[in-house]
Amino acid sequence: DAGVTQSPTHLIKTRGQQVTLRCSPISGHKSVSWYQQVLGQGPQFIFQYYEKEERGRGNFPDRFSARQFPNYSSELNVNALLLGDSALYLCASSLTGQETQYFGPGTRLLVL
Amino acid sequence: QKEVEQNSGPLSVPEGAIASLNCTYSDRGSQSFFWYRQYSGKSPELIMSIYSNGDKEDGRFTAQLNKASQYVSLLIRDSQPSDSATYLCAVIDAGNNRKLIWGLGTSLAVNP
Repeated sequence: DAGVTQSPTHLIKTRGQQVTLRCSPISGHKSVSWYQQVLGQGPQFIFQYYEKEERGRGNFPDRFSARQFPNYSSELNVNALLLGDSALYLCASSLTGQETQYFGPGTRLLVL
Repeated sequence: QKEVEQNSGPLSVPEGAIASLNCTYSDRGSQSFFWYRQYSGKSPELIMSIYSNGDKEDGRFTAQLNKASQYVSLLIRDSQPSDSATYLCAVIDAGNNRKLIWGLGTSLAVNP
């Protein structure tokens, strides 16, 4: 079975631009969570979706938004990019969001 | 603010020794605990999950949970150079959010 997939793997943007990151969960998993990880820190929770509904949101500004589609894949959008948005963005999938989460390879975003 | 704390390390052990990694958490209601391994530039990889007090063994890895002391640990027996990585402790928030709360990770170096 395929694991969690994310695209793109790497991305370079400039300040003020917008970016969309994509994630496909493990087959049968209905929950997707998004995390931001900057160098030297643990992952920081951004959003969790389950059955296309937002279940939780972390302490991130409104520039960050996400959605989940009927096939349970998900997109994370970040508007008006700042230098500080440069990080590894991780997507994790789980059955319902209340148990073990499995991570995709991540998207490394660099904002110049 | 719910927290998970780990010693940042680096923890250095010789090849073949036992590596002991520790984690404390603040949310007394937490029931689900996870250890992830993260190689530099890669996404976290699940090693162990533990839900009940006591020990749980999987190959060279043993997770230990003590809910009364709010303490979870990971022992790695017969440490190998390939075990050199950052080990992240994560706890599921017992509140409505059900998000993972992460420690900052402990860097482990296994010396040949």
